Amino acid sequence: GAVVSQHPSRVICKSGTSVKIECRSLDFQATTMFWYRQFPKQSLMLMATSNEGSKATYEQGVEKDKFLINHASLTLSTLTVTSAHPEDSSFYICSAKGLTEAFFGQGTRLTVV
Amino acid sequence: DAKTTQPPSMDCAEGRAANLPCNHSTISGNEYVYWYRQIHSQGPQYIIHGLKNNETNEMASLIITEDRKSSTLILPHATLRDTAVYYCIVRVSPDTGRRALTFGSGTRLQVQP
Repeated sequence: GAVVSQHPSRVICKSGTSVKIECRSLDFQATTMFWYRQFPKQSLMLMATSNEGSKATYEQGVEKDKFLINHASLTLSTLTVTSAHPEDSSFYICSAKGLTEAFFGQGTRLTVV
Repeated sequence: DAKTTQPPSMDCAEGRAANLPCNHSTISGNEYVYWYRQIHSQGPQYIIHGLKNNETNEMASLIITEDRKSSTLILPHATLRDTAVYYCIVRVSPDTGRRALTFGSGTRLQVQP
């Protein structure tokens, strides 16, 4: 079946630095990908919709200048957390829709120290 | 997308069937019922979906009531690896893939040895 690959699976960074997370659709093309964030014991919350060749659409309360999204090809979307702070520590998950259902990456555990 | 209601948690003995209910009383005629699960620290995984007929695949069975206001996901022989949060999501079809899935709180299934 269709696979979405996310990298890295785990990252620790210092406050003030930036971190890039990659999301790839391995055997299908995705004009739209989605980025979610999940805090401990909570459900997935949509952050933004990534559209190939155009600007991302951000959910209310998500800072577009802090969470930079680039969807330069039909198989790759990247999320860059800029000037990371400890409160950005979370589990980030990307998703893309295949023929009939959505597929999700393995998730990236970001810890900002 | 129609709202869904699930119990927050359930226990099941290993080897027994796990029956997870979902209420979606406001479902529309063109909305499908999807089930995903999220094992700890992983991205969600697609399980099954259906419109009105019962569905079965290698992972589970989906039973949808005749009035479509509720459904039950059945894991016929639960194993410890089935311990996860299970999400019932109602989704209009056809789905162009340009709208993200919305996750509720789900049901935390604990399979006991």
